[in-house]
Amino acid sequence: AQSVTQPDIHITVSEGASLELRCNYSYGATPYLFWYVQSPGQGLQLLLKYFSGDTLVQGIKGFEAEFKRSQSSFNLRKPSVHWSDAAEYFCAVGAYAGKSTFGDGTTLTVKP
Amino acid sequence: GAVVSQHPSWVICKSGTSVKIECRSLDFQATTMFWYRQFPKQSLMLMATSNEGSKATYEQGVEKDKFLINHASLTLSTLTVTSAHPEDSSFYICSAIPPLAGYEQYFGPGTRLTVT
Repeated sequence: AQSVTQPDIHITVSEGASLELRCNYSYGATPYLFWYVQSPGQGLQLLLKYFSGDTLVQGIKGFEAEFKRSQSSFNLRKPSVHWSDAAEYFCAVGAYAGKSTFGDGTTLTVKP
Repeated sequence: GAVVSQHPSWVICKSGTSVKIECRSLDFQATTMFWYRQFPKQSLMLMATSNEGSKATYEQGVEKDKFLINHASLTLSTLTVTSAHPEDSSFYICSAIPPLAGYEQYFGPGTRLTVT
């Protein structure tokens, strides 16, 4: 069975500081990995995805993530956080044409 | 491209009544759609997989008779919450997989259901 763990429930960073959100997954084959962002009362927006190839993937809004098979991790990073980045972030693992399993999410608070 | 809509975006209904939520793929045909439920401050929990022309596949613990799913066309899936109760109040999100992109789901904006 596939599973996703996001160890950090809540992270607070100062505006302009760097950010790293952790994600660990469990999956029997090559995983399809995703990071989504959700603002309060809104749907999900895809930040980036990894299927194969280069293990460092670039996404929207200046986010990137690195796939590390040896560590079963897919951590999300941003070099300089903006106040508008405050939101809920979800890591997910999926199968081709199949359902996705989501982590519990990490709430990001940005201090001015 | 690959836009998924949901209607309504929010709905309030009285306890005991039924409410239908629509999920549409606007610019592609989707043989598979998914329905998720999200409680406040929690993650998305998959409720069921909706397959066009066949019965939905429900996740363990989801009441099939309470959450009726119909996928009558390649662009429309509906979720009907029957005999709704306050504990059914939640945020319901659907997603769809476009053809030739089976590894990525496109999510609708969600429907907020409040049962009074």
